[in-house]
Amino acid sequence: ETGVTQSPTHLIKTRGQQVTLRCSSQSGHNTVSWYQQALGQGPQFIFQYYREEENGRGNFPPRFSGLQFPNYSSELNVNALELDDSALYLCATRGPTGGSEAFFGQGTRLTVV
Amino acid sequence: QQQVKQSPQSLIVQKGGISIINCAYENTAFDYFPWYQQFPGKGPALLIAIRPDVSEKKEGRFTISFNKSAKQFSLHIMDSQPGDSATYFCAAGRGSARQLTFGSGTQLTVLP
Repeated sequence: ETGVTQSPTHLIKTRGQQVTLRCSSQSGHNTVSWYQQALGQGPQFIFQYYREEENGRGNFPPRFSGLQFPNYSSELNVNALELDDSALYLCATRGPTGGSEAFFGQGTRLTVV
Repeated sequence: QQQVKQSPQSLIVQKGGISIINCAYENTAFDYFPWYQQFPGKGPALLIAIRPDVSEKKEGRFTISFNKSAKQFSLHIMDSQPGDSATYFCAAGRGSARQLTFGSGTQLTVLP
């Protein structure tokens, strides 16, 4: 167990809707990253938050947004869902020492119909 | 510049054999190279990682070989077991942000 919990586990949404995915981690893990993993592909970096500020972003449009809260839990929001947004969404956290190891949650499987 | 290319896409090995997965990268700013193991329905789990100042790192049955000049690194799984059957991803990260760029994955099957 990595101590990283994501909810919900599975989700089905309709094209054009909005979705919020959640991630909580071990105490003290103040860096959280979100990744999108399409079926049969490697995870792709969406963005990263450190101390409630976004400090890195991959090649994803602005309709992908996020939040990190004072307790270091995090949300990924996706607006105007498209069919291609169907994927496994993973969050990964890192500890306060800035260590390299990233602990991944089990992911949220999002299906857009 | 940000791509990490991984091969093979799939690999079948007999129990007790050696599994070898290769990765190549372009961006010389990468300074952290982890390998992840992923089982169906689970998130990736870190297996082993290396920095470019060493050429090899071994942890149990898992070894990373790193060739900085060729911009290549590989994972060797010795004495492969059926329980090793999973998808393996190489990745590369840079700086303190560690924004990982992943390869496309290798599906390993170890036959009993």
